[in-house]
Amino acid sequence: DAGVIQSPRHEVTEMGQEVTLRCKLISGHNSLFWYRQTMMRGLELLIYFNNNVPIDDSGMPEDRFSAKMPNASFSTLKIQPSEPRDSAVYFCASSAGQGNVLTFGAGSRLTVL
Amino acid sequence: QKEVEQNSGPLSVPEGAIASLNCTYSDRGSQSFFWYRQYSGKSPELIMFIYSNGDKEDGRFTAQLNKASQYVSLLIRDSQPSDSATYLCAVRDTGFQKLVFGTGTRLLVSP
Repeated sequence: DAGVIQSPRHEVTEMGQEVTLRCKLISGHNSLFWYRQTMMRGLELLIYFNNNVPIDDSGMPEDRFSAKMPNASFSTLKIQPSEPRDSAVYFCASSAGQGNVLTFGAGSRLTVL
Repeated sequence: QKEVEQNSGPLSVPEGAIASLNCTYSDRGSQSFFWYRQYSGKSPELIMFIYSNGDKEDGRFTAQLNKASQYVSLLIRDSQPSDSATYLCAVRDTGFQKLVFGTGTRLLVSP
């Protein structure tokens, strides 16, 4: 199995631009989690889905952030417009069910200038 | 606010020693606890998980859980320089079943 696949691995953009991060779940997994990691705040949960349905989006910072899961194996996290404070590593993780172990993707490092 | 607390470190130990990493959590109803290891620039990877009070051993790693004290720890025996990493404690929230992470403890094992 290829594991959780994230793209792009690195993104450098200018303030105000739209950013789209992508994630492909492990085959057979039905829960997906988006985390953001910074030095100051550590690993923060932004949103998670179970069976394509958003269960908890209380960690989404503000309306500039949105996440979708158009099918059972794929998700996007969009930031529009992006700001320098959004600079972080964004991780996607999946599990076979809500209560099971998470497997993380390699992460997407976002830099907003 | 449900929290998971860890000492940020760094925790420095010599090669061959036992490293002890600690974590406290605020949600008394939490049922499952996880330790992840994260090398610099890499993603977190699961070391082990524990559900019941007491000790759970896996190779050089032992997880210890004390629900009454809301405390979970990870012991690494015969520490190796390759164990140098940040160790993240995670607790599953009883409400939405999400995994809440501590900020991690950086471990440095010197040769």
